[in-house]
Amino acid sequence: GNSVTQMEGPVTLSEEAFLTINCTYTATGYPSLFWYVQYPGEGLQLLLKATKADDKGSNKGFEATYRKETTSFHLEKGSVQVSDSAVYFCALIDQTGANNLFFGTGTRLTVIP
Amino acid sequence: KAGVTQTPRYLIKTRGQQVTLSCSPISGHRSVSWYQQTPGQGLQFLFEYFSETQRNKGNFPGRFSGRQFSNSRSEMNVSTLELGDSALYLCASSHSPRDRVLRNTEAFFGQGTRLTVV
Repeated sequence: GNSVTQMEGPVTLSEEAFLTINCTYTATGYPSLFWYVQYPGEGLQLLLKATKADDKGSNKGFEATYRKETTSFHLEKGSVQVSDSAVYFCALIDQTGANNLFFGTGTRLTVIP
Repeated sequence: KAGVTQTPRYLIKTRGQQVTLSCSPISGHRSVSWYQQTPGQGLQFLFEYFSETQRNKGNFPGRFSGRQFSNSRSEMNVSTLELGDSALYLCASSHSPRDRVLRNTEAFFGQGTRLTVV
């Protein structure tokens, strides 16, 4: 079956530190991969996505590369800001055509000034 | 362009009651999906509706049901509420062309309805 495993949190970083949140997946075939972010009191927002192997998704300074060989989609940012404090979810949609997202458990990031 | 609107934002219900949650998708979006978010289980898919038809369903008991109207607005209903149904219920809409592939579209989420069962 499909599953997403992501790094346990919470993660606390100082402003301008480097961020990595690990994500690995299990799926049939070639899923599409996503990172969503949830700010306090809000719904989920798509942060970035990648639809095939070796694709790199990027947005707002965040990046993630679809690695088929390691079934991974790790999220990185070179210099975090206080405004990046949120919960980050890794997710996939498989190739079966079903239109549902499988999510990881989420990683809470807190950035301190 | 208005986003996905979920109503109400907060609900408190008693065990055994039923509840109906509403979701208005982004104009032009025909696919509406529902998710349950809890601290213990995380985000779990409930079901998806497209053009008034349920076309995918997650692993939830029959107490959870939904429907979609001709204007793409969707409702979900939970009957005989249990304490474990307390959660944030999120609705997502997408353009979702007929081939059902989300690869080149994006799911837009509402702010959710927080349901508390006491």
